[in-house]
Amino acid sequence: DSGVTQTPKHLITATGQRVTLRCSPRSGDLSVYWYQQSLDQGLQFLIQYYNGEERAKGNILERFSAQQFPDLHSELNLSSLELGDSALYFCASSGGTDNEQFFGPGTRLTVL
Amino acid sequence: GDSVTQMEGPVTLSEEAFLTINCTYTATGYPSLFWYVQYPGEGLQLLLKATKADDKGSNKGFEATYRKETTSFHLEKGSVQVSDSAVYFCALSDRGKDTGNQFYFGTGTSLTVIP
Repeated sequence: DSGVTQTPKHLITATGQRVTLRCSPRSGDLSVYWYQQSLDQGLQFLIQYYNGEERAKGNILERFSAQQFPDLHSELNLSSLELGDSALYFCASSGGTDNEQFFGPGTRLTVL
Repeated sequence: GDSVTQMEGPVTLSEEAFLTINCTYTATGYPSLFWYVQYPGEGLQLLLKATKADDKGSNKGFEATYRKETTSFHLEKGSVQVSDSAVYFCALSDRGKDTGNQFYFGTGTSLTVIP
């Protein structure tokens, strides 16, 4: 158990809809990262937050947004969903005395 | 900018064969280097790490040495098992001031070990 939690585990929705994925980092970690993993694209970095502020942006679509709250949990919002958004979405956290990332179990999103 | 280049897969080996997965990096500072493993249906787990030049990370029979002169961090295992079948990711992190760690991942190498 990495200490990073993600909810929900599975999500099935329709095209055009909006969903919110939630992540709670390890206790004490200030950084949260979001990744998308699909079969044809591999692991794609989306966005990083550090202590509530956006710090780095990767290949994140404009339809996607994220935020980190004062209690350090983070949410990834995906809107106007398309079939191609079906993927595993991972959250990871980092910080404290450790410099590695700890990954959550992921949310599997299926867009029908 | 920083980046990681990893050996393309997939790799298929027989049980007890020797494994090498190549990883090279580009970094402006002095990064930490990692190997992560992803078993089927699971998230990424840290396999091993090295935080400075000439450090050797090791875990579960896997090893990798941080080579600054060749900017490499190749993963090796002397005798693979069927249970090692997974996707392996090489990664680096650079600690920024007031930004937290910046991470860069390779594309992943799929390993299948056959009995």
